[in-house]
Amino acid sequence: NAGVMQNPRHLVRRRGQEARLRCSPMKGHSHVYWYRQLPEEGLKFMVYLQKENIIDESGMPKERFSAEFPKEGPSILRIQQVVRGDSAAYFCASSPQGPPDEQYFGPGTRLTVT
Amino acid sequence: GENVEQHPSTLSVQEGDSAVIKCTYSDSASNYFPWYKQELGKRPQLIIDIRSNVGEKKDQRIAVTLNKTAKHFSLHITETQPEDSAVYFCAPKEIQGAQKLVFGQGTRLTINP
Repeated sequence: NAGVMQNPRHLVRRRGQEARLRCSPMKGHSHVYWYRQLPEEGLKFMVYLQKENIIDESGMPKERFSAEFPKEGPSILRIQQVVRGDSAAYFCASSPQGPPDEQYFGPGTRLTVT
Repeated sequence: GENVEQHPSTLSVQEGDSAVIKCTYSDSASNYFPWYKQELGKRPQLIIDIRSNVGEKKDQRIAVTLNKTAKHFSLHITETQPEDSAVYFCAPKEIQGAQKLVFGQGTRLTINP
């Protein structure tokens, strides 16, 4: 059973470009979470999704950031018009169903904005 | 929302000694208390967790103790080894509450050979 997959593992974007980060949950998992980790800091929750639904987006910046988890395919975290402050590691986690299931983390995507 | 703090922020111990990291939280509804380990450049991984109906849980060299009255729980690592060097995060939550994990700021543990 493959773990949570994220791609790309490293992404370099110039200021103003768009970044698309993909997350494939573990097989059988229908819940996906995105977290952001700035250098030398802890992980901050961004958004929680189930298939075709955003359940909790309380950690998402109001502008430029969006997330989706379509019926088919991976979850996508999209950052439009990236700025230097978006440089961070973005981790996706998945769980089989609701509480209190453990969240399994992917390897992360390290975004660098130049 | 949950306010989570970890102490110390950095910890350096000699190989073979014990390490203790404390996590305090504010939400009295929290009833699930996990610890995650993140090695440099790697993903966070759950290493041990405890629920509020028990006061202590042990798994080989690691243990977690809970003081629900005082709203803190601690990670104990005995007989430390170089591979224990990592950043450790706590993320207390209410099982039936919001699903997001609110992490502490992390404790960087360094094991000196």
